[in-house]
Formats: sequence, structure tokens, C-alpha cells
Amino acid sequence: SQTIHQWPATLVQPVGSPLSLECTVEGTSNPNLYWYRQAAGRGLQLLFYSVGIGQISSEVPQNLSASRPQDRQFILSSKKLLLSDSGFYLCAWSLGITSGSTDTQYFGPGTRLTVL
Amino acid sequence: RKEVEQDPGPFNVPEGATVAFNCTYSNSASQSFFWYRQDCRKEPKLLMSVYSSGNEDGRFTAQLNRASQYISLLIRDSKLSDSATYLCVVNGTSTFGDGTTLTVKP
Repeated sequence: SQTIHQWPATLVQPVGSPLSLECTVEGTSNPNLYWYRQAAGRGLQLLFYSVGIGQISSEVPQNLSASRPQDRQFILSSKKLLLSDSGFYLCAWSLGITSGSTDTQYFGPGTRLTVL
Repeated sequence: RKEVEQDPGPFNVPEGATVAFNCTYSNSASQSFFWYRQDCRKEPKLLMSVYSSGNEDGRFTAQLNRASQYISLLIRDSKLSDSATYLCVVNGTSTFGDGTTLTVKP
């Protein structure tokens, strides 16, 4: 069965510091991968998605970047955090095109980021 | 107009009640629809997909109305454990609604 891991679970960072959040998926190959952010009391905002190694699509202009160095690894980064980057960051995966595409997404446990 | 809109609630219902949520979407070309459940400070978990013909899973029924561009979720015989936020998602754009909060009270 497939599992998705995210770490850390919680993070408190000062404004201007760098950020690196990691997400890994097990039990599937060539998944589609997604990064979302959820502000308190709000829905999920899609930040990035990837259909393959090195392929990143950005949905909104922002202070963040994403990379996919390996098939089942997705990294969210920032060089300098802003207060507005605080939120609940969720990684998700879905079956990739080569597996018979489906849009059903499965989420990792998330990282709660507080920027002070 | 937002791509996906939900009534934020909160919906406060007694145990055993029937409750329904709607979710409207703006993109008429949308093809896939889902309901997720999110508990407080947790990740969303898939509750059910929404099929064109409507589908049922135990106490939960999901329906799609393409003409009026909305999906619905019906929960019968509500349990305390149904208390959560329910998110609809319209894929193709991975667009989530802001969620509807349900509280089931004894």
C-alpha cells in the first residue's frame, strides 16, 4: 500500500530565515505530487504540482519554490520566509499518467509552519 | 466569483439528524468531483468520489448536478464522530472549497 510522509510536523521560524519541507511517497511509481497551503479556517490553496522528476508547475506567484529531485520526493523551499508564509503545508500524491490517471489525491500529515 | 464555493456553516445538528451540504463550481468543463473530510488540525482524507449517477456509501450520499453546477453531500443518522469540516474539490484545477463545518451534538 502507498504511504506519504512529511516532516517536520511543526516548525517555528523567524522572518527572513530559509525553509525546507520534505515529502516522500512509498509504494507507487511516478506519482503526481502536490504542495498545498491552508491558512487558518480556510480551504487548500494549490502551490505547486509535479508530474515527474524535475517538472514543476507553479499555481501562484509567491515566495516559495519546489523541487522534485527524485521520483517520490518533493521539496518545498524558501530562501527568506515572510510572516505571510505561516500556515499548514500539505503534500499530496495521486496516480500518475502512466498508471492510468486519476485525480484522487491522498494527503500527508502536513507541516504546521509559524513564522515569527 | 470563486471557482468552488461552499456554505461555511457551521452546521450544528443533533445526533440522528440528516444534514446536507452543497458545493457550487464555476467551470462547466470540470470532470471529477470529490468530498474530503478534515478533522481539526489534521490532513484532509478522502470521503467519497462523486459520480454522475450519484453514489452512496453507508450513511453518506453524494450527488452531482451538472446543469446547475453543484455537488451535494447528504449525511443521514448523524453521529458525534461526523463532526468535522467537509471539503469539496473539483479536479482538473485541484480547486478546493473552503469547507463546511459540521458539529453533531448529543
